[in-house]
Amino acid sequence: AQSVSQHNHHVILSEAASLELGCNYSYGGTVNLFWYVQYPGQHLQLLLKYFSGDPLVKGIKGFEAEFIKSKFSFNLRKPSVQWSDTAEYFCAVNPRGAAGNKLTFGGGTRVLVKP
Amino acid sequence: GAGVSQSPSNKVTEKGKDVELRCDPISGHTALYWYRQSLGQGLEFLIYFQGNSAPDKSGLPSDRFSAERTGGSVSTLTIQRTQQEDSAVYLCASSLDLAGAYNEQFFGPGTRLTVL
Repeated sequence: AQSVSQHNHHVILSEAASLELGCNYSYGGTVNLFWYVQYPGQHLQLLLKYFSGDPLVKGIKGFEAEFIKSKFSFNLRKPSVQWSDTAEYFCAVNPRGAAGNKLTFGGGTRVLVKP
Repeated sequence: GAGVSQSPSNKVTEKGKDVELRCDPISGHTALYWYRQSLGQGLEFLIYFQGNSAPDKSGLPSDRFSAERTGGSVSTLTIQRTQQEDSAVYLCASSLDLAGAYNEQFFGPGTRLTVL
């Protein structure tokens, strides 16, 4: 079975600082990779996804993530955060070609951006 | 258009009681998922419905948990004889089910269940 690890449980940073959240997965086959975000009081929503092709993917709100196959990693980055980026971020995978699209999530990282 | 809706938003129950949680998916979405978000366990897959196929129940933690999807739309997650460890936020998601493609899951607001 696949598993997903997010190394940072809590991150606190100031506005304009750069953000990088780590995500590693464990799975023997090919996976689709995702980052979801949950803003305070809001639904979980998709931030970006990787299926194939260019390993550097860009998502909404200036976020990007890089898939490094050799490291089984899919780290999320944003060069300059804003107070509105305060949220909980979840990395997720699902095996490519598997019946259904059920997701395996990491434990989440709570990000607090101080104004 | 309307998103995924869930009811109730909050549920407090006593240990040993049964509870039912409801999910209304986005109209036209044939796939429906239940996940659980709890302290210490993160977000876990519970069950998946796809059209008229048999559901994938591989994530249900015990036989006290069951789910139905009537008419290919509304789904109910039932937890019998609730235990304190069932306390969590139960999330529902729905998606299209187009063959050969990843179909983005849209999540509802969740039901926060507290078992006293």
